[in-house]
Amino acid sequence: GQQVMQIPQYQHVQEGEDFTTYCNSSTTLSNIQWYKQRPGGHPVFLIQLVKSGEVKKQKRLTFQFGEAKKNSSLHITATQTTDVGTYFCAGDDRGSTLGRLYFGRGTQLTVWP
Amino acid sequence: NAGVMQNPRHLVRRRGQEARLRCSPMKGHSHVYWYRQLPEEGLKFMVYLQKENIIDESGMPKERFSAEFPKEGPSILRIQQVVRGDSAAYFCASLPLRTGYTGELFFGEGSRLTVL
Repeated sequence: GQQVMQIPQYQHVQEGEDFTTYCNSSTTLSNIQWYKQRPGGHPVFLIQLVKSGEVKKQKRLTFQFGEAKKNSSLHITATQTTDVGTYFCAGDDRGSTLGRLYFGRGTQLTVWP
Repeated sequence: NAGVMQNPRHLVRRRGQEARLRCSPMKGHSHVYWYRQLPEEGLKFMVYLQKENIIDESGMPKERFSAEFPKEGPSILRIQQVVRGDSAAYFCASLPLRTGYTGELFFGEGSRLTVL
């Protein structure tokens, strides 16, 4: 079955340092989505990437989708304490049901002030 | 998204009891999904429902778990004879049925089940 692997599982950074999380799928994806979950909270949609090689930016966050549409990354520049949370990638295989996403295990980001 | 309402937010059950989790989708959304999140894990798809219809239940455990989305009222995820391994956060998500929609999920705040 489809698997989405995400690394690292944990990342501790000093405020102001950069952060990157990587996502890799066992199969080609139709699109990939990123979610953020604050401690004790629920996943909140950040962005969706659809095109091969696509790069999107949201302020200090940069999202990339690989050429083969099997991997993706999220990079945060100059982290702030408000960036704390777990970042999940989630792959959408159009061969499966709409809305059925395959989530990575997440990268839990801790930012030290 | 605050528009997806789940209750209860926290539920404690003893082994062998039943747990019922409820979800009301966002206004205008006709599709409901249930996902389970074990501690320190990602979310795993369980079931996808529309009103009075189960579309995809391939992620549901074969026994003890059932889901429904009646014509009136919220969607319900029911877990019978709970065991400790059922302790998890159960998230409901909804999405609209409209042209151009690309598949992002709107999650509720979750129901956190603890089995003693």
